[in-house]
Amino acid sequence: NAGVMQNPRHLVRRRGQEARLRCSPMKGHSHVYWYRQLPEEGLKFMVYLQKENIIDESGMPKERFSAEFPKEGPSILRIQQVVRGDSAAYFCASSTNVEGASGYTFGSGTRLTVV
Amino acid sequence: GQQLNQSPQSMFIQEGEDVSMNCTSSSIFNTWLWYKQDPGEGPVLLIALYKAGELTSNGRLTAQFGITRKDSFLNISASIPSDVGIYFCQGGGSEKLVFGKGTKLTVNP
Repeated sequence: NAGVMQNPRHLVRRRGQEARLRCSPMKGHSHVYWYRQLPEEGLKFMVYLQKENIIDESGMPKERFSAEFPKEGPSILRIQQVVRGDSAAYFCASSTNVEGASGYTFGSGTRLTVV
Repeated sequence: GQQLNQSPQSMFIQEGEDVSMNCTSSSIFNTWLWYKQDPGEGPVLLIALYKAGELTSNGRLTAQFGITRKDSFLNISASIPSDVGIYFCQGGGSEKLVFGKGTKLTVNP
């Protein structure tokens, strides 16, 4: 009964490259959330997706960032032309229902370092 | 939008001491959840509360859903070194769930 799987665990990119972060939700969960966390800071909401739909992307930067959750396969958070300020831990979470009333299950995160 | 105020921001305690932290909001929530994040890991759900006034325990942890539905607290009794981490509250209402900014707990042996 695997939990939320994120990969890679660590990702190093040079400025200007693309970063692709993957998240496979927990089995039976159809709601996926992406959060960003800077060192010593809280979780900043980025985007909420269901299969093939973006429900809420109010926390996503307008440029260079995109997210998808296709019918088949993992959810992808894509950052184009990365800059040093994109360095952070990116967490994916999933839940069974729209209000997440049972709580979220988080992955272990992807730590992105832009050099 | 809904916002949560979580306090204290950080705590430094001695092993064996009790800990108390809380979350407050100007909005009413239907659920309150508490998570712990170990260093280098994702948050893990500790306790979920679904009814105003509800008091729930999980081992040395106790959490309560405030009567006004605008606050919740988490207590940890007899702290141990592995309690170190960041504790987040999360409120669930009619909009998306909202996280507090976390309480960073340091336990000195």
